[in-house]
Amino acid sequence: EDQVTQSPEALRLQEGESSSLNCSYTVSGLRGLFWYRQDPGKGPEFLFTLYSAGEEKEKERLKATLTKKESFLHITAPKPEDSATYLCAVPTTDSWGKLQFGAGTQVVVTP
Amino acid sequence: DGGITQSPKYLFRKEGQNVTLSCEQNLNHDAMYWYRQDPGQGLRLIYYSQIVNDFQKGDIAEGYSVSREKKESFPLTVTSAQKNPTAFYLCASSKDRAGANVLTFGAGSRLTVL
Repeated sequence: EDQVTQSPEALRLQEGESSSLNCSYTVSGLRGLFWYRQDPGKGPEFLFTLYSAGEEKEKERLKATLTKKESFLHITAPKPEDSATYLCAVPTTDSWGKLQFGAGTQVVVTP
Repeated sequence: DGGITQSPKYLFRKEGQNVTLSCEQNLNHDAMYWYRQDPGQGLRLIYYSQIVNDFQKGDIAEGYSVSREKKESFPLTVTSAQKNPTAFYLCASSKDRAGANVLTFGAGSRLTVL
């Protein structure tokens, strides 16, 4: 069964305190890993897609990396506006039309 | 601006009532999706449609129904058979299959059963 597990469930950071979020997955034949950001009461917004081990993508203070079993989202010198829930997702084995989402990591950055 | 419009944003339902959530997109995307989000859980797929007049059940389709009569529209009906409907509902679309393309989400509809 395809599974996506994110850790930690919640993360509280001081402004400027760098940290990493983890997304581990069990799926046969990975066909991409997606990261989304979700603000409270809103729909998720796309951040990155990673396709192969060793690949990295960056956007402002965020950098996503991928290995054969997991992905990391590194937040460098975060600001309060980086506070959000970060979701990762992978296409399921049974249908490329479906994504399996993790439960998310809720990040709070305090001034 | 292109995007996805969900309505209503908040909805209250009495037990035993059916309610319909609207989802409209002007992105010219082929595929559309309905997800349910509960606190502490990941998004769970209810139904998805990759072309007009065709749709497939997701992981939690029981108690829900959909239609896809137009490319732009994918309404979700929460029926009285859904035993625990209180949740945040998200509609999404993609140019093609979700694994091949990025999902664009609407702002969500929050349903509360009284």
